[in-house]
Amino acid sequence: AQSVTQLDSHVSVSEGTPVLLRCNYSSSYSPSLFWYVQHPNKGLQLLLKYTSAATLVKGINGFEAEFKKSETSFHLTKPSAHMSDAAEYFCVVTVYNFNKFYFGSGTKLNVKP
Amino acid sequence: GAGVSQSPSNKVTEKGKDVELRCDPISGHTALYWYRQSLGQGLEFLIYFQGNSAPDKSGLPSDRFSAERTGGSVSTLTIQRTQQEDSAVYLCASSLAGGRGETQYFGPGTRLLVL
Repeated sequence: AQSVTQLDSHVSVSEGTPVLLRCNYSSSYSPSLFWYVQHPNKGLQLLLKYTSAATLVKGINGFEAEFKKSETSFHLTKPSAHMSDAAEYFCVVTVYNFNKFYFGSGTKLNVKP
Repeated sequence: GAGVSQSPSNKVTEKGKDVELRCDPISGHTALYWYRQSLGQGLEFLIYFQGNSAPDKSGLPSDRFSAERTGGSVSTLTIQRTQQEDSAVYLCASSLAGGRGETQYFGPGTRLLVL
């Protein structure tokens, strides 16, 4: 079975400080993993994805994530938060031979000035 | 180029009425997906079309829900005899070939409110 757990429903950081959004997955197969961002009243936008190549994946807007098989984790990080990063972030897992997305419940990131 | 488009952007309907939601995928994308984003329930998969293959309907919540894809392009999601619990944002996505690890590109969604 496939599933994704986002460990924090809300994260609040100050502008300029690091961001850590946590994601753990469960998959019977070698997973593909994604992070998507959804700004208020906007569509889902891909931040980055892991598909069994390099375990450290760099995405847009300075975000990156590291695939750790031993910990079944795919945490999203950014060294320095910007006000424009305030949004909801979704971790997604897919199975080996079928591209159906399994979404985490989302983490809302608040960035304080 | 143009992204995934959906119409209408908002739909208000009365309980018991039927609704149709439309999705135009990115040109050339053979895979098309429907998801539902409900308040407090996150995003859930509904149905998946890949080329001319039979669709995967495993996520449809009841037989009131159906979808079709004509000519391998535009898709319509139909909800019959709508219920208040159907209120949600319905998202459509497309990808190039439906292969493993492919990026799915999402439309802006249709916000459905059933009164």
